Amino acid sequence: DAGVTQSPTHLIKTRGQQVTLRCSPISGHKSVSWYQQVLGQGPQFIFQYYEKEERGRGNFPDRFSARQFPNYSSELNVNALLLGDSALYLCASSFGLRETQYFGPGTRLLVL
Amino acid sequence: RKEVEQDPGPFNVPEGATVAFNCTYSNSASQSFFWYRQDCRKEPKLLMSVYSSGNEDGRFTAQLNRASQYISLLIRDSKLSDSATYLCVVNFGTGGFKTIFGAGTRLFVKA
Repeated sequence: DAGVTQSPTHLIKTRGQQVTLRCSPISGHKSVSWYQQVLGQGPQFIFQYYEKEERGRGNFPDRFSARQFPNYSSELNVNALLLGDSALYLCASSFGLRETQYFGPGTRLLVL
Repeated sequence: RKEVEQDPGPFNVPEGATVAFNCTYSNSASQSFFWYRQDCRKEPKLLMSVYSSGNEDGRFTAQLNRASQYISLLIRDSKLSDSATYLCVVNFGTGGFKTIFGAGTRLFVKA
């Protein structure tokens, strides 16, 4: 069975631009969560979606938004990019809201 | 105070050693707990869930103490392949749900 997939794997943007990251969950999983991980730190929770509704939100500015589609895939959008948004963005899927989460390989974003 | 705090590390141990990691959490309403491992430049991978009754998976044992808001991970007979960062994870929330990772503890196992 395929695991969580994310695209693109790497991305380079400049300050002020907008970026969209994509995630496909494990088949049968209905929840997708997004995390930001900067070097030397643990992943920081951004959003959790379950059955296409936002069910949890971390302490990130409104420049960060996400959505989940009927097929349970998800997109994370970041507007007005800052240098500090450079990080590994991880997507995790789970069957339910509080179930074990399985991570994709991440998207490495570099903002210049 | 951080919501989830871990031993800062790094831990440098010889092969065959026993090593213990500790993690404390601040939200008494926390509902589920996990240990993940993360290799350099890779995604986190689930190591094990943590229950109040404790659980064991081969050389790995995890414990949860809800009264003290404390989670531990014990690795026996360390292998070179155990070298990684170990992340403590806590879930909590009702209407709004949050997953909080600790900063991770780096383990180096040397021959």
